Amino acid sequence: QKEVEQDPGPLSVPEGAIVSLNCTYSNSAFQYFMWYRQYSRKGPELLMYTYSSGNKEDGRFTAQVDKSSKYISLFIRDSQPSDSATYLCAMRVGSSNTGKLIFGQGTTLQVKP
Amino acid sequence: EAQVTQNPRYLITVTGKKLTVTCSQNMNHEYMSWYRQDPGLGLRQIYYSMNVEVTDKGDVPEGYKVSRKEKRNFPLILESPSPNQTSLYFCASRPSGRPNEQFFGPGTRLTVL
Repeated sequence: QKEVEQDPGPLSVPEGAIVSLNCTYSNSAFQYFMWYRQYSRKGPELLMYTYSSGNKEDGRFTAQVDKSSKYISLFIRDSQPSDSATYLCAMRVGSSNTGKLIFGQGTTLQVKP
Repeated sequence: EAQVTQNPRYLITVTGKKLTVTCSQNMNHEYMSWYRQDPGLGLRQIYYSMNVEVTDKGDVPEGYKVSRKEKRNFPLILESPSPNQTSLYFCASRPSGRPNEQFFGPGTRLTVL
């Protein structure tokens, strides 16, 4: 079993829809949770990160962590065609000196005009 | 412009022919790492370096070598490439103390025939 599981999609939605992207994980020691966005033919870029449980909002993006269920989500409100990309969740153990990130497989999102 | 650069961006080679993929960052970051990205497997760490002359294995180091003689450069060496090393490779860097914020290069698409 992979430490981090993410549905690869693809997920196709109309412009303006609310998008929900999710990851589950098995390691209860994970404390930091990140979402990266990767456009086609580009490297991943950090969208946002959260520590432990709770919500964090940044514009149209909201990251949510439920440690009791080992489940994290990224919500995108009012989705735009420019949001079309692959979204990777990543997480790490807080005490690690190396700061090693464990990535999900990525979910490909297409927002249609 | 703050960035991580990789060269070459695309490479087709044959089994056994030694190659080097260069990586350079201009942000004075201490930490650098190499990942490979494969469909269904996500990003997996190959090697990382916490500073000059300090390197260590990631999750999939077999068949790869690295060196860190200067802070800005972190080349990935495949001494005898094999077809199972066909993949998309990313170099990343981050400052120490900010383990969630990795900056990725644009990627190198390697095909080994």
